[in-house]
Amino acid sequence: DIQMTQSPSSLSASVGDRVTITCRASQRIVSFLNWYQQKPGKAPNLLIYAASTLQSGVPSRFSGSGSGTDFTLTISSLQPEDFATYYCQQSYSIPITFGQGTRLEIK
Amino acid sequence: QVHLVESGGGLVKPGGSLRLSCSASGFTFSDYYMTWIRQAPGKGLEWVSYISNSGGETNYADSMKGRFTISRDNAKNSLFLEMNSLRADDTAIYYCARHLTTGAGAWLDSWGQGTLVTVSS
Repeated sequence: DIQMTQSPSSLSASVGDRVTITCRASQRIVSFLNWYQQKPGKAPNLLIYAASTLQSGVPSRFSGSGSGTDFTLTISSLQPEDFATYYCQQSYSIPITFGQGTRLEIK
Repeated sequence: QVHLVESGGGLVKPGGSLRLSCSASGFTFSDYYMTWIRQAPGKGLEWVSYISNSGGETNYADSMKGRFTISRDNAKNSLFLEMNSLRADDTAIYYCARHLTTGAGAWLDSWGQGTLVTVSS
């Protein structure tokens, strides 16, 4: 199984900050990497697919990059509604696996 | 607008069975793969199973193989998850999700609100 490791596991930041979350795969996954946002009590929401493609309707302050084993999710200027938990997910091979999540909290 | 609604969750004793359903609307259900994902209380996301658009291809996480069965009824725009031999560690919210698969990978672009399964005596 491909292990997905996110860092940090939690992060405190302020409105307006630029934030980067990293996801590392235990083996090469090309660009088969997706990012989701989950707010408390809600289902996850797709933000980025294929490492860098913004899902329709997602604000442009979100961006993704990377290929191979190392990937990043960047939020250019944090907004109040961005405080949530973020997950990466690989689709290179079965089983589909997720990172453990990064909880983004208000400083 | 894509809409997915899960149902069938509840309290079940260890060793028991439960059948989850997911009703889909707002898209051509028979064109899409579908997936079940679960999330234990306070924990992360875990892939459970997927099924191809025709139902001819299925796949399961190792810990669910032999106990869970995914199926679909395209005429009724419905997805199912039959769960047997349930254990306490199967306690989770179960989400159904639309699964897009392309040459650039696969992603889950629409999710239901989830249904809670609690396995406890």
